[in-house]
Amino acid sequence: EAGVTQFPSHSVIEKGQTVTLRCDPISGHDNLYWYRRVMGKEIKFLLHFVKESKQDESGMPNNRFLAERTGGTYSTLKVQPAELEDSGVYFCASSQKMNTEAFFGQGTRLTVV
Amino acid sequence: LAKTTQPISMDSYEGQEVNITCSHNNIATNDYITWYQQFPSQGPRFIIQGYKTKVTNEVASLFIPADRKSSTLSLPRVSLSDTAVYYCLVGVHGSSNTGKLIFGQGTTLQVKP
Repeated sequence: EAGVTQFPSHSVIEKGQTVTLRCDPISGHDNLYWYRRVMGKEIKFLLHFVKESKQDESGMPNNRFLAERTGGTYSTLKVQPAELEDSGVYFCASSQKMNTEAFFGQGTRLTVV
Repeated sequence: LAKTTQPISMDSYEGQEVNITCSHNNIATNDYITWYQQFPSQGPRFIIQGYKTKVTNEVASLFIPADRKSSTLSLPRVSLSDTAVYYCLVGVHGSSNTGKLIFGQGTTLQVKP
């Protein structure tokens, strides 16, 4: 069974540009989460989808971040325009039920220069 | 969600048993205790969860005293490949109505030859 996959694994962009991260959850998992770790900080929750609906987006830092999950399958996280402080590792996770084990992807390392 | 406190780092040698203790004084009656493991350049991975007394699986054991204000993750006979960050989380999975994970700093375990 395929795990959670994220694309790209690395991305280097200039300040002001746009980047879109993609996450493919485990098939059949209705719950999809985005997290990130910025340099030297803890892993922080960004948002939670249940199917295509945003269940909790309390962790989204500002309106430069837009997450979508059209059709309730894969999800994208777009940063526009990117700022230097957006650099970090973005993790996606999925789970079958809301309060069951979460499976994480390898992460996307984003570097904004 | 209850706050957790755990040592920032620990060192051990191959073949030894490692015990990592986590304090969670404000744990609620319905909260479960969950541990995740994270290797460098990977996303966190669920390793064990418990509510009270002792839980054991093929990877680790989890000891929870009667007052549930702390828990101890026990890794038997560690190897170099157990070098990772170990996170203790409380209030997610099992009984909660949220899938959001709140990560602390975790404990960085370094296993030496």
